Amino acid sequence: DSGVTQTPKHLITATGQRVTLRCSPRSGDLSVYWYQQSLDQGLQFLIQYYNGEERAKGNILERFSAQQFPDLHSELNLSSLELGDSALYFCASRGTHNYGYTFGSGTRLTVV
Amino acid sequence: AQKITQTQPGMFVQEKEAVTLDCTYDTSDQSYGLFWYKQPSSGEMIFLIYQGSYDEQNATEGRYSLNFQKARKSANLVISASQLGDSAMYFCAMRPNNNDMRFGAGTRLTVKP
Repeated sequence: DSGVTQTPKHLITATGQRVTLRCSPRSGDLSVYWYQQSLDQGLQFLIQYYNGEERAKGNILERFSAQQFPDLHSELNLSSLELGDSALYFCASRGTHNYGYTFGSGTRLTVV
Repeated sequence: AQKITQTQPGMFVQEKEAVTLDCTYDTSDQSYGLFWYKQPSSGEMIFLIYQGSYDEQNATEGRYSLNFQKARKSANLVISASQLGDSAMYFCAMRPNNNDMRFGAGTRLTVKP
């Protein structure tokens, strides 16, 4: 157990729908990062939050949004889903004095 | 822009032998961190080893060592005494100057008995 909790582990939904992925970082970690891993694009950085504020944006589509709440958990919202959004979505967290990221086990999203 | 290149889509190694997984990177930052992660078939991302750009010695963690050649912008992972459980995808990553971490495309390692 890495200490980063992601729910749900698996999600199957239809095109056009909206889903919310949830992430609880390791205790004390203020930074949360979201990544998308698909077969053709590899691991793509989506967005970072630090203590509730957005810090950096990567290749995140306008249909996607995220937020980090006062208790530091984060949610990634994916809307108007397309078949190509099927992927493994990772959340990672980092402590202030750590260099690397600790990853959750991921949410596997399948859009049908 | 930062770029991480892993030129070996797949590698095979005999059990108990050593294997080197290649990684080159491109950055204009002077301060950066280099990482290797392992992703087994179960999907989780497992941190293996870290090397800072100012570290003079190569990082080692058990059977893992990082062959850091700064001038060549190379950060190869060496796994000694390979085990069947080492079969997995391996990702090289870089985090420049406190920015977000970017990953290479990965290398699939298969350990043969």
